[in-house]
Amino acid sequence: GQQLNQSPQSMFIQEGEDVSMNCTSSSIFNTWLWYKQEPGEGPVLLIALYKAGELTSNGRLTAQFGITRKDSFLNISASIPSDVGIYFCAGPGYDKVIFGPGTSLSVIP
Amino acid sequence: DGGITQSPKYLFRKEGQNVTLSCEQNLNHDAMYWYRQDPGQGLRLIYYSQIVNDFQKGDIAEGYSVSREKKESFPLTVTSAQKNPTAFYLCATAAGPTEAFFGQGTRLTVV
Repeated sequence: GQQLNQSPQSMFIQEGEDVSMNCTSSSIFNTWLWYKQEPGEGPVLLIALYKAGELTSNGRLTAQFGITRKDSFLNISASIPSDVGIYFCAGPGYDKVIFGPGTSLSVIP
Repeated sequence: DGGITQSPKYLFRKEGQNVTLSCEQNLNHDAMYWYRQDPGQGLRLIYYSQIVNDFQKGDIAEGYSVSREKKESFPLTVTSAQKNPTAFYLCATAAGPTEAFFGQGTRLTVV
């Protein structure tokens, strides 16, 4: 079945550093979604991508829809402590949304 | 106020008791989902429903049951057959198999 993989599984970075994470799929997706989950809360949609090659920004966050349509990337510039959380990628499955396993981000002040 | 409401935020139950978690939405979305999340882990799909009076098992349906009698509501019952029910439960809705929107979650603790 359709499956998403995310790397890295976890990251520990210093405040102010840039962050890069990615999501890959064994099959083609026509939409890529990125969510952030803060501790004890539900995930919140950050960015949605709808076209191969698309680059979309939301403040310090930038996400790209890979040309092959089998991957997507999320970058966070100049990280701050409130960036802490789990970042999930997601895409449309045959009859349901498919979520990746997440990348856990810790920011050291 | 539009959105997804999960209640209660925290729930405590004795071992062996069934417990029902509520999820209500006023977004007029057809699809609704239930996920389980254990500490430091990802989202595991329990059940999902694409339309009223229909639902499908997810990856970890054993020990859980759902109903979808109304478009707005998708309650999840954690039965005594669930061996390790303590977890964070998340409900989500979507207009289709794309953007999903989540509730605030219910943290269930079984003692």
